[in-house]
Amino acid sequence: DQQVKQNSPSLSVQEGRISILNCDYTNSMFDYFLWYKKYPAEGPTFLISISSIKDKNEDGRFTVFLNKSAKHLSLHIVPSQPGDSAVYFCAASDTGNQFYFGTGTSLTVIP
Amino acid sequence: DAGITQSPRYKITETGRQVTLMCHQTWSHSYMFWYRQDLGHGLRLIYYSAAADITDKGEVPDGYVVSRSKTENFPLTLESATRSQTSVYFCASSESWAIYEQYFGPGTRLTVT
Repeated sequence: DQQVKQNSPSLSVQEGRISILNCDYTNSMFDYFLWYKKYPAEGPTFLISISSIKDKNEDGRFTVFLNKSAKHLSLHIVPSQPGDSAVYFCAASDTGNQFYFGTGTSLTVIP
Repeated sequence: DAGITQSPRYKITETGRQVTLMCHQTWSHSYMFWYRQDLGHGLRLIYYSAAADITDKGEVPDGYVVSRSKTENFPLTLESATRSQTSVYFCASSESWAIYEQYFGPGTRLTVT
């Protein structure tokens, strides 16, 4: 059973606007979360992370929000750029154990 | 070049054949991982290794064998390939279990006919 879910397989956004990618998880023991970005024919690359002691982490145009009570996290990209077009995976772990990945959301930023 | 590499990048094999996917990293990272990516499942952990000669099962280990005689290499062997093992395989490494960011290789696309 999928412990980490990304319910939107795809998302299209105009350049300059905000992209919001969502991720839900079922295991309340998860305490560390990451987002990876993946271009075609390449491996995923780390984007941003957040631990459960925080509810927000920001890195440039990328912000991750964590809502522990709802078991939900989101990645905001502002402003979106065409180079952001990729597949985004969220991943979650409870400390010291393996990461569980979501199924990915394909983001297309339209120039 | 420094980094993590996988070979081959593409492989077609027949059902029942043994096939080995190679992974090599130049960072001397302690931890190495093998994942498979399938539509509808995202990335699933097959095996991981904490150090040379230390390996452990992940979420989907059946049908796979790993070894790690040297820190920099982590080969994945399919002893008798099945069509259900058709997938894209990613190797990854990280400095330690406590440093969560993993660095991924470019992937191997394996087709079992």
